[in-house]
Amino acid sequence: NAGVTQTPKFRILKIGQSMTLQCTQDMNHNYMYWYRQDPGMGLKLIYYSVGAGITDKGEVPNGYNVSRSTTEDFPLRLELAAPSQTSVYFCASSSQGDGAFFGQGTRLTVV
Amino acid sequence: AQSVAQPEDQVNVAEGNPLTVKCTYSVSGNPYLFWYVQYPNRGLQFLLKYITGDNLVKGSYGFEAEFNKSQTSFHLKKPSALVSDSALYFCAVRDRESSGSARQLTFGSGTQLTVLP
Repeated sequence: NAGVTQTPKFRILKIGQSMTLQCTQDMNHNYMYWYRQDPGMGLKLIYYSVGAGITDKGEVPNGYNVSRSTTEDFPLRLELAAPSQTSVYFCASSSQGDGAFFGQGTRLTVV
Repeated sequence: AQSVAQPEDQVNVAEGNPLTVKCTYSVSGNPYLFWYVQYPNRGLQFLLKYITGDNLVKGSYGFEAEFNKSQTSFHLKKPSALVSDSALYFCAVRDRESSGSARQLTFGSGTQLTVLP
């Protein structure tokens, strides 16, 4: 099984550019999450979704947008990239009472 | 709002000795609790979970964790540490309540475990 797949693995953006981080899961999980992890820090929740058509803000949503049109996909959109968005981004999925499965991460640098 | 505290940024232990990585949590209702491990430049890997039942849960690679409701703790333990256990460990919590912000999966700040040969 593929589990949670994130693309791309690495990306360099210029300030003001936009991009979409892709995330797809094949486990039919209702819950999906986007986190960012800054060097030496824990995970901060950006957005999450409890099912198709439902999204909610997490701890640090500013500068990001998400959509959940299908159960499988949960893309994260960065508009007007800023250096403060340089981070490693992780997508995860889970069922209600189970542990989350994580993607391998996207390392984003904004210059 | 729910939260997780991992009071130790760094834990060092000699190979063969028992290890403990501490975690306390705060939720308004009853918790689902999880431990994850992260190796350098990798995503997080699930180790174990507490959902209900026995307070001592066993997980991957010989790890176990004890749920203590009165102390709101979920410490990770292993009887005999290996050098290969050296990694970053995260505790996480989600409220069993399935509405509002309780549906978030909240992580602690992580504890770097170093097992010395």
